[in-house]
Amino acid sequence: QVQLVQSGIEVKTPGASVKVSCKASGYPFTNFGISWVRQAPGQGLEWMGWINSHSGHTNYAQNFQGRVTVTTDTSTSTAYMELRSLRSDDTALYYCARDWDYSFDFWGQGTLVAVSS
Amino acid sequence: QTVVTQEPSLTVSPGGTVTLTCASSTGAVTSGHYVNWFQQKPGQAPRSLIYHITNKHSWTPARFSGSLLGGKAALTLSGVQPEDEADYYCLLYFSHTWVYGGGTKLTVL
Repeated sequence: QVQLVQSGIEVKTPGASVKVSCKASGYPFTNFGISWVRQAPGQGLEWMGWINSHSGHTNYAQNFQGRVTVTTDTSTSTAYMELRSLRSDDTALYYCARDWDYSFDFWGQGTLVAVSS
Repeated sequence: QTVVTQEPSLTVSPGGTVTLTCASSTGAVTSGHYVNWFQQKPGQAPRSLIYHITNKHSWTPARFSGSLLGGKAALTLSGVQPEDEADYYCLLYFSHTWVYGGGTKLTVL
């Protein structure tokens, strides 16, 4: 069955970087893209970016341009999201989702990133 | 900055019907926005319900349906069940990027 398993809780100080992983299984990894979505505490969903797992082509939300990088390692079927220059308002749950034909059908369990001095 | 707008909250009685809407600040919602709808319950990851305006996944209950209505995207729940109480988010595609609506908190009372 399709599964996306994300890395564990991260606690960072302002200005640091974080790299969250999303390991996929149960489907041919390079046939689908991966999107990253975040949710601040008590807030709504926010799309951050997307990667074509086959070509490595990426698109990012304007709000994160220059601060986020999404990559994949096809040898391990793993996607990564790196966010730099962290601020306190980056504290959120970060989700990966499989992107299939303009739909996000399967999701990871989420990774909490807490930013605090 | 494109804004996608949903009703902040709605209340429906069990067995009733409710329609949630999703509007774009750029104009009418069309098939080119590849409309998606998600359900999220407390402490859980979002779950995809509808994609491409009307398409359901194998796990989507039959009582959920998607459509375009008066220039907006719409999610209709017919025969609402208590377990449908949740937050609902629409997602629209805008030329290589996606924008979520602010979400609708649906209360079943």
